Amino acid sequence: AQSVTQPDIHITVSEGASLELRCNYSYGATPYLFWYVQSPGQGLQLLLKYFSGDTLVQGIKGFEAEFKRSQSSFNLRKPSVHWSDAAEYFCAVGDSSASKIIFGSGTRLSIRP
Amino acid sequence: NAGVTQTPKFQVLKTGQSMTLQCAQDMNHEYMSWYRQDPGMGLRLIHYSVGAGITDQGEVPNGYNVSRSTTEDFPLRLLSAAPSQTSVYFCASSNRGQHEKLFFGSGTQLSVL
Repeated sequence: AQSVTQPDIHITVSEGASLELRCNYSYGATPYLFWYVQSPGQGLQLLLKYFSGDTLVQGIKGFEAEFKRSQSSFNLRKPSVHWSDAAEYFCAVGDSSASKIIFGSGTRLSIRP
Repeated sequence: NAGVTQTPKFQVLKTGQSMTLQCAQDMNHEYMSWYRQDPGMGLRLIHYSVGAGITDQGEVPNGYNVSRSTTEDFPLRLLSAAPSQTSVYFCASSNRGQHEKLFFGSGTQLSVL
């Protein structure tokens, strides 16, 4: 069975600063990996996903993530955050068919003016 | 295109009562799943289905039943509600074989008194 860990519960960064949100997964085979964002009172929006191929994945809103098999990680990055990026971010891992998708506990991102 | 429709949006139950949360999708998606979202715990998978007539347990299945008699519908039944089941429930669907993103419903906020 797969699992995912997001070690940071809450992160605060200054507007314009770079961002990295950590995600570690556990799965016996090549996983399907996702990052979702949830703004307050809203549903979840897919930022990006990885299934195979290039380990650096580009997503929407200027986000990217890098799959590192040796570290079982799929960290999310953004070179310069905007106040509108304040939200909760969820990493998720899917099984080999992507039918069973498990989410991490989330990282809440606050932006300092 | 309605997407994933959840009803009701809000519900208050007394301990011991039973009820069914409805979920329907009109995208002909084969995969459907139910999650609950609790503060600090992210989204936890309750049950999921890979097609009509096929269901399986997720991370937190106790106290919940599901069935999938049609491709479109995936109801979640609470047999005897408990205060620990107070949560926000999300239904999601995705398309098998194309590794598409999860499409989420708008959620059901359930309080069990």
